[in-house]
Amino acid sequence: QVEVVESGGGLVKPGGSLRLSCAASGFTFTDNYMSWIRQAPGKGLEWISYISSSGSSTYYADSVKGRFTISRDNAKNSLYLQMNSLRAEDTAIYYCARHQLPAYFDCWGQGTLVTVSS
Amino acid sequence: SYELTQPPSVSVSPGQTARITCSGDVLSKHYSYWYQQKPGQAPLLVMSKDSERPSGIPGRFSGFTSGTTVTLTISGVRADDEADYYCQSGDTSGTSKVLFGGGTKLTVL
Repeated sequence: QVEVVESGGGLVKPGGSLRLSCAASGFTFTDNYMSWIRQAPGKGLEWISYISSSGSSTYYADSVKGRFTISRDNAKNSLYLQMNSLRAEDTAIYYCARHQLPAYFDCWGQGTLVTVSS
Repeated sequence: SYELTQPPSVSVSPGQTARITCSGDVLSKHYSYWYQQKPGQAPLLVMSKDSERPSGIPGRFSGFTSGTTVTLTISGVRADDEADYYCQSGDTSGTSKVLFGGGTKLTVL
């Protein structure tokens, strides 16, 4: 079945870095855009980044632009999010999602928790 | 303004009809989508392109659009419909963004 599974979350100090991974299965990964969406504790959903199917186009929300980098390895059916200069306000569950055009998300992982705290 | 506004909460009794609204200028330009999120779970797409139900979503769920307001309607509400519901819109072409509404907590009394 169509599935995405995130990993790589954890506790990191402010200013630190973390790399999230998302393993996709059950669909043709190379045909799909992918996105990262996060949810701070007790808060709503915030889309933060997408990458085109080939990886040639990326887009970031203002809140993470210049600090986060999305990438993908189509040979490994994997999506990544490199997070640098982390702040307390980046604390959230990070979801990987299959991104259908024009812009919606029809397959979500269970999320991985990132906690930024000293 | 580039934002989506939802009521924080909606309450209905079992068997009644719940209507959850979402407003924003972006809705006059782009499709709307709705997600259901139960505690501890990932969001689930329950309405696509304003009024299209994804496979597996019951016919009790319907969507309606009028200008800059969209409405998710749940008929014959059941206890397991209790969840947070998020609207979403936007685009990934050009400089458009993807944005979510703040979410609406549906309580089944």
